[in-house]
Amino acid sequence: EIVVTQSPDFQSVTPREKVTITCRASQNIGGSIHWYQQKPNQSPRLLIKFASQSLSGVPSRFSGSGSGTDFTLTINGLEAEDAATYYCLQSSTLPYTFGPGTKLEIK
Amino acid sequence: EVHLVESGGDSVQPGGSLRLSCVASGFTFSNYWMHWVRQVAGKGPVWVSRISSDGTSIAYADSVQGRFTISRDNAKNTLYLEMNSLRAEDTALYSCVKGAPFDDWGQGALVTVSS
Repeated sequence: EIVVTQSPDFQSVTPREKVTITCRASQNIGGSIHWYQQKPNQSPRLLIKFASQSLSGVPSRFSGSGSGTDFTLTINGLEAEDAATYYCLQSSTLPYTFGPGTKLEIK
Repeated sequence: EVHLVESGGDSVQPGGSLRLSCVASGFTFSNYWMHWVRQVAGKGPVWVSRISSDGTSIAYADSVQGRFTISRDNAKNTLYLEMNSLRAEDTALYSCVKGAPFDDWGQGALVTVSS
């Protein structure tokens, strides 16, 4: 099973700040990493697919990068509505595995 | 607009069984691989099972292999999860999810396993 780790676990940030969340896979997964945002009592929402592909309807301040084992989700110009927990998911190999999550708190 | 609506969640005793259903609309269900993902309150999501668009390719997480069965009825736009020999650790919100990556999620069906 591919283990996915995330850092940080928690971050308290101010609006307009730049935020970087990282995911690391235990083995090479190419570009098969996807990023999700989950707010309380809501289902996860796909933000970025295949490491860096943006999605219609997702604000342009969200971007992704990386390949192999190390990946990054960047939020440029954090807004209050971005308070949520962020997860990465690897879909390279079954079983698909999620990272443990990064909780963003807005100061 | 994609809609995925789960049903069948309930509270059961250890060793019991449940069948979850997920009715899909807003897309051509028969074209998509589908998944079940579960999430314990306060924890991250965990992939449970997936089925190919025609139902011929199926996979399970080790934790449910041999106890859970995924299936689908493309004529009814419905995904199923038959859960047997339920354990306390199966307690979670079960969501059906479209495609890979998981681009659309249902709101989930709550399964509670407790004596």
